[in-house]
Amino acid sequence: GAVVSQHPSWVICKSGTSVKIECRSLDFQATTMFWYRQFPKQSLMLMATSNEGSKATYEQGVEKDKFLINHASLTLSTLTVTSAHPEDSSFYICSARDPAGTYEQFFGPGTRLTVL
Amino acid sequence: GENVEQHPSTLSVQEGDSAVIKCTYSDSASNYFPWYKQELGKRPQLIIDIRSNVGEKKDQRIAVTLNKTAKHFSLHITETQPEDSAVYFCAASIGGAQKLVFGQGTRLTINP
Repeated sequence: GAVVSQHPSWVICKSGTSVKIECRSLDFQATTMFWYRQFPKQSLMLMATSNEGSKATYEQGVEKDKFLINHASLTLSTLTVTSAHPEDSSFYICSARDPAGTYEQFFGPGTRLTVL
Repeated sequence: GENVEQHPSTLSVQEGDSAVIKCTYSDSASNYFPWYKQELGKRPQLIIDIRSNVGEKKDQRIAVTLNKTAKHFSLHITETQPEDSAVYFCAASIGGAQKLVFGQGTRLTINP
């Protein structure tokens, strides 16, 4: 099946700094990628839909100025958490759907963000 | 917007017995319903999915049923094994981009 990678797998940063997370589709082109956030023992919450070559679409309640999404190519989407605070500590997961395939979404391995 | 409700939140069954997890959704336009298994700290793993034009799908010990009229779908695991212990999520797709809305999750424990 299709493969999606994320980098880094974990990151620890100080409060007030920015962190960038990369999501790559390795063997297919993804015009659309999705970013989720998952707090401990909770479900995946969709944060935004990343569209190649255009602005991301954010879900209600997600601050677009805090969570910057850039989908500059058909294989790469980035999520930047700006001015991170401890409450932003979470598991961030991206996914992508192969437009040439089925409805299945392929998930990245996730990035564990800890803000001190 | 779409809302997906999942029950139960925890489920404990004896090894070899069956487990059933149920989900309801609110948007009648949803047309894709995947089920995921997630182990601690790992990505969700697709175990089975169903599209709205199908009422039932089976893959070995795992089956999913869909009732479009009632807007609910269920995961059935038969002959459970200890390695089936994990958190299971249902999801429903919405919109042209097929974004997914997830249920709250079910922690399944298989007792030897």
